[in-house]
Amino acid sequence: KNQVEQSPQSLIILEGKNCTLQCNYTVSPFSNLRWYKQDTGRGPVSLTIMTFSENTKSNGRYTATLDADTKQSSLHITASQLSDSASYICVVSPRGGSNYKLTFGKGTLLTVNP
Amino acid sequence: NAGVMQNPRHLVRRRGQEARLRCSPMKGHSHVYWYRQLPEEGLKFMVYLQKENIIDESGMPKERFSAEFPKEGPSILRIQQVVRGDSAAYFCASSLWDILDNTGELFFGEGSRLTVL
Repeated sequence: KNQVEQSPQSLIILEGKNCTLQCNYTVSPFSNLRWYKQDTGRGPVSLTIMTFSENTKSNGRYTATLDADTKQSSLHITASQLSDSASYICVVSPRGGSNYKLTFGKGTLLTVNP
Repeated sequence: NAGVMQNPRHLVRRRGQEARLRCSPMKGHSHVYWYRQLPEEGLKFMVYLQKENIIDESGMPKERFSAEFPKEGPSILRIQQVVRGDSAAYFCASSLWDILDNTGELFFGEGSRLTVL
């Protein structure tokens, strides 16, 4: 069964600090891995997309890494801001004809305090 | 360039009533996907549509749920005879190409939150 597990469930950090969120997946065969940011009561917004052949992708203060051998990904946030407070969701797409059947993690709820 | 538009944002229904959720994809996008997010759960795939075609509805309950994407107008997700377990956030997403393309970007709407009393 395809699964995406994220840790920690929630995280509280101080403004300006860095943090790293983890994602383990069992989706196989695997096509690509996406990280989304979801503000409370809003829709998910894409941060990064990595194919199985990529191992890092940056988008401003967000850097995602991927180890397809161990089926792990991480999202590193540098110099956090109050507006980074949100849920961060790891999403994996299977390879093949049904790759719209994304498997979503439950998300890590990040709170950035002043 | 407006994003994916969903309405209503919030909908309250009593058990047994019908719920209709609408989704207008981004301009030029012809691929629409519906996902459901139950409380404390990750989003789950429901249905994939292109204009006038249901491509894959394997994630949608076979009874009471239906979806359409007509030639003109928004995509509609219809839930008949709602039950309390249908309470969830329903998200629509659209893409320019089908996301068989590895880098295909998927754009989500803000969601419609259904509460069944």
